[in-house]
Amino acid sequence: QSVTQLDSHVSVSEGTPVLLRCNYSSSYSPSLFWYVQHPNKGLQLLLKYTSAATLVKGINGFEAEFKKSETSFHLTKPSAHMSDAAEYFCVVSVRGNTGFQKLVFGTGTRLLVSP
Amino acid sequence: SQTIHQWPATLVQPVGSPLSLECTVEGTSNPNLYWYRQAAGRGLQLLFYSVGIGQISSEVPQNLSASRPQDRQFILSSKKLLLSDSGFYLCAWSVQGGPQHFGDGTRLSIL
Repeated sequence: QSVTQLDSHVSVSEGTPVLLRCNYSSSYSPSLFWYVQHPNKGLQLLLKYTSAATLVKGINGFEAEFKKSETSFHLTKPSAHMSDAAEYFCVVSVRGNTGFQKLVFGTGTRLLVSP
Repeated sequence: SQTIHQWPATLVQPVGSPLSLECTVEGTSNPNLYWYRQAAGRGLQLLFYSVGIGQISSEVPQNLSASRPQDRQFILSSKKLLLSDSGFYLCAWSVQGGPQHFGDGTRLSIL
């Protein structure tokens, strides 16, 4: 199981839509997450998908859609705010050899928001 | 509500010195606990996780060790730091079936 974040950097203007792309690879129905990290801070959970509704709504106006046919879990927001500038991580939960669930992180996408 | 505390927030240590980073969780019992390292410009790498007191699993061979002396306390240690140990260290907790919640991290610089 793994995730691939397709863009290392995304630049948008304030008030325009945000799209951060993530593809996953999993041999079973995955649990997927998006986390956000502001500079020198820990990670904050934005939203999670656990095989319920395919459109997941998170905090701060973000949402993500699970598309099994495309193996994607892209993060979107209709209108960017300056405070959205941060690093975003797409994450998949995997089951290790001991049965313990662990997280595997993508390499991150840095979102830049200009006035 | 649950909270997680990490300290110190920043640390500058000479090569060869010992290390002790501490993480405590409040407001929950018997959490799973994790230590991650984040190198500059990279994602997170899981170093250790613990499902209970005294139970530590190591994910990667390295110069570091972890201990869990109490239910909600997780300590990351080293006897002799290397330059390559520099990075941003994050502690996290979860309960069975739930997402992981992260502390604010410790930035460790080795000189």
